[in-house]
Amino acid sequence: KAGVTQTPRYLIKTRGQQVTLSCSPISGHRSVSWYQQTPGQGLQFLFEYFSETQRNKGNFPGRFSGRQFSNSRSEMNVSTLELGDSALYLCASRFDVAGGAEQFFGPGTRLTVL
Amino acid sequence: SQQGEEDPQALSIQEGENATMNCSYKTSINNLQWYRQNSGRGLVHLILIRSNEREKHSGRLRVTLDTSKKSSSLLITASRAADTASYFCATDRYGNKLVFGAGTILRVKS
Repeated sequence: KAGVTQTPRYLIKTRGQQVTLSCSPISGHRSVSWYQQTPGQGLQFLFEYFSETQRNKGNFPGRFSGRQFSNSRSEMNVSTLELGDSALYLCASRFDVAGGAEQFFGPGTRLTVL
Repeated sequence: SQQGEEDPQALSIQEGENATMNCSYKTSINNLQWYRQNSGRGLVHLILIRSNEREKHSGRLRVTLDTSKKSSSLLITASRAADTASYFCATDRYGNKLVFGAGTILRVKS
C-alpha cells in the first residue's frame, strides 16, 4: 500500500497570503488528521476529518480551515498568513476503530512565511 | 498544549547500549503511542499500548504503561546508530486525536 502523501513538500509565502496544503491518505483510511509542528510549541493537533465531516478541532484560530473530499483526500487552508505560521504541517491517516488506532504520517509540508 | 513531559530531553549513548525514555501525562487516556521522527521528517509509528495493558514488546522495543502514575516508558535495547532520532509519546484520550509530548532526542554513537 502506498503511504500518506502530502503536497507540496516545501512552500514559501509572504505575510498576508493564503496557502492550501494537500494530503492523500492510505487507501481505505477515512480518518485524516492535521498537525502543526514548531520548535516552540511542538506537535499540536489542528483538526480531524472523517467521511467529509470535521469531527474534532484543536485550539487554532479560524484562519486555519480544512476539508475532506469523498475519496478521503484532505486539504487544509491557512488564510492571512503570519510569521508564526511557519512550521512543518503533518497529515496523518488511520483506520477508524473504537479505542483509537495508530496514525500513519506523511512526510509533511514545510511552510515558511516571510 | 502538550499533554505532559518527556525525559530526558536529550540522551546520548554508545551503540549496543540500551536507551530508556520516560513520558508522563495529565489526564486519563484511551491509549498511549510512541513515534519516531528523523530530522524533521514525518513521524513513524512505533508502538501503541492501550490503557488496560501494562507492557508491550515489538522487536527491540519495550513499552510500559502505569496508569496510576500516569506515566510510560520506552526501552530500546541494543541500540544502533540508525536509532538516532527524536522520540515522542502521544496520548489518545477519546480515540480520535493525539496529544504529543515534547520529545526526547536520542543520539546513538557508533
